[in-house]
Amino acid sequence: DTAVSQTPKYLVTQMGNDKSIKCEQNLGHDTMYWYKQDSKKFLKIMFSYNNKELIINETVPNRFSPKSPDKAHLNLHINSLELGDSAVYFCASSQGISGAVQETQYFGPGTRLLVL
Amino acid sequence: TQLLEQSPQFLSIQEGENLTVYCNSSSVFSSLQWYRQEPGEGPVLLVTVVTGGEVKKLKRLTFQFGDARKDSSLHITAAQTGDTGLYLCAGGGDGGTSYGKLTFGQGTILTVHP
Repeated sequence: DTAVSQTPKYLVTQMGNDKSIKCEQNLGHDTMYWYKQDSKKFLKIMFSYNNKELIINETVPNRFSPKSPDKAHLNLHINSLELGDSAVYFCASSQGISGAVQETQYFGPGTRLLVL
Repeated sequence: TQLLEQSPQFLSIQEGENLTVYCNSSSVFSSLQWYRQEPGEGPVLLVTVVTGGEVKKLKRLTFQFGDARKDSSLHITAAQTGDTGLYLCAGGGDGGTSYGKLTFGQGTILTVHP
């Protein structure tokens, strides 16, 4: 009964390839997020969707394209992978859009991407 | 751009010692959260503080939000080996515009030795 799941857990690929990471949440939440954690453990938001609509789009190369087929799923497609894309990518979800009080975000286990 | 600076970056202590981790910013946050991340897993929320000056206790962990809502601290009393992990502070911005955007500090890697 995993709350937020991601596949695959590990992804090793060559530079220039295109790859996708999938995320699913069974918490009934309306909002989902993608974060990137670099080798120094710094966690930075990339995208956020609320009810399948994009609401946060940080300064991310347009090689990264999120897609939300329904509010329980948020996938991340990466084109023309580069060495610098190597990182751990975390999916997260929250009940809604935070107001004055930040809502709890529930994180998935992460996808470790290594670009060779 | 809102930034959060965490210190120290690394902390290595013996079981039973006390420790404090700091999270500072020049920006005001509407709320601040602390997460703990274990190797190979995603961050898990420990606490959310909302009011300036607020103090919350979670067993041996004490969290404080600064009066001006620009800084926070996490104090662990009598650390145990199970406390080992990465501790992250995260600030929530103005609720009207942030849409749940969390700004994370760089993290503190805590190692508690038996």
